[in-house]
This record gives sequence, C-alpha cells and structure tokens, in this order.
Amino acid sequence: QTVVTQEPSLTVSPGGTVTLTCASGTGPVTSGHYPNWFQQNPGQAPRALIYSTTNKHSWTPARFSGSLLGGKAALTLSGVQPEDEAEYYCLLYYGDGWVFGGGTKLTVL
Amino acid sequence: QITLKESGPTLVKPTQTLTLTCTFSGFSLSTSGVGVGWIRQPPGKALEWLALIYWDDDKRYRPSLKSRLTITKDASKNQVVLTMTNMDPVDTATYYCARRGSTSLFEYWGQGTLVTVSS
Repeated sequence: QTVVTQEPSLTVSPGGTVTLTCASGTGPVTSGHYPNWFQQNPGQAPRALIYSTTNKHSWTPARFSGSLLGGKAALTLSGVQPEDEAEYYCLLYYGDGWVFGGGTKLTVL
Repeated sequence: QITLKESGPTLVKPTQTLTLTCTFSGFSLSTSGVGVGWIRQPPGKALEWLALIYWDDDKRYRPSLKSRLTITKDASKNQVVLTMTNMDPVDTATYYCARRGSTSLFEYWGQGTLVTVSS
C-alpha cells in the first residue's frame, strides 16, 4: 500500500499562519491525486475542508486554503483560531483507490 | 439535509464476518457521479479508506483488504452494506460511511460505529 506522509505534529500561535503538507511515496503530488483535506476533533467524525487540491466546501472557513507546494499537497491556515486545534488528514487518489495520510496533530498555543 | 448513519454489531469474534449497513438520506445513490464509501479508524490511529461504490455499481476496494471486503448497494432502500470476512482483533476500529458527491469526495460523514473484535 502506498504511503502518504504528513507532519506528525505542528504548533502555531493564535493569529499565526501554518502550512501542513502531504507527500506521496510514489513521487510528486499532482492535481491528478485530487488531494482532499479533512479536520477531525477528538471523538468526532472527520469534516471535509478541501477537495481537488484547492476547492473549499461551503462550510470551509476562508482562512483555510489548499495548494500544491514543492511536490506536495499543502493546507495553509492563515489567522489561526483556537478552535483550529485538531487532527488534519490528507487523502490522495491513486487510480485504484485512495490513501489517507497519517495525520497532523495541530496545536494552537 | 444529507445524513448518513452506520449500524451493525459492536462486538464480533475473531474469524467471524462483519456486516455493516450505512443508511442515508437527503440524496440518491441513483444520481450520476454519486457514491458511498467506507473508512475506518483504529483507536488512536489514522483513517483508512476501505471501499467505495458508485451510482453505476462500480466498486473500488483497498488493495490490501480486497479479498475480505464486499460492498453492495440498495438504492431503493437508501442503504450501502459492507461485509468484511475473517475478522481479527487488528480490525477493531470505528467504521464510518461517507458520501462521494459528483465533484467532491467524502463531503458528508456518518457519526461512525465502533466495532470491537474479541473472543
């Protein structure tokens, strides 16, 4: 099974900016991987944030944005709020199925 | 309003077959582009995609589990069923179903159901 790698943990100050990345074990992430990003709070189901690299759902706060950066998928949070503290997962498409990353625990401190 | 809800046993014994049902509302699995998938999360671990079924009955499975998984749909009942054979304690996890929209993936999720595999 293909490995998708995320930073295990990141810390950001309230009001700051942070970028989470998502790397593919098979090479550069491209738009053809249709990167998705999800947020999960403890004890809750994941919530979809970004699909197809850059697209936001209607409920996605404007401070979240998706991109491709240096061969990886990226999720940038600008103007971080305390409620953004959560686990974040990326999801990549590989033709025969999808693979989640290992998740990034984002701490707002 | 789109909702999904998982149902099934909370406890299964090793070697048994797990059957989970996802009952949904607010959309039709007969609509072009729509699908329903299953994702699981072992306690304290990351999400794992398991299977997805499309409106046209096309199916995709996690390669490492393909021999153990079967996904089916009953669009008239608004249900998708996942079966997993030969359950093992490592399959203990919260199992989620989620909707694939015509342009986005897993945009709506169920609340999840915890399945424990133990004798």
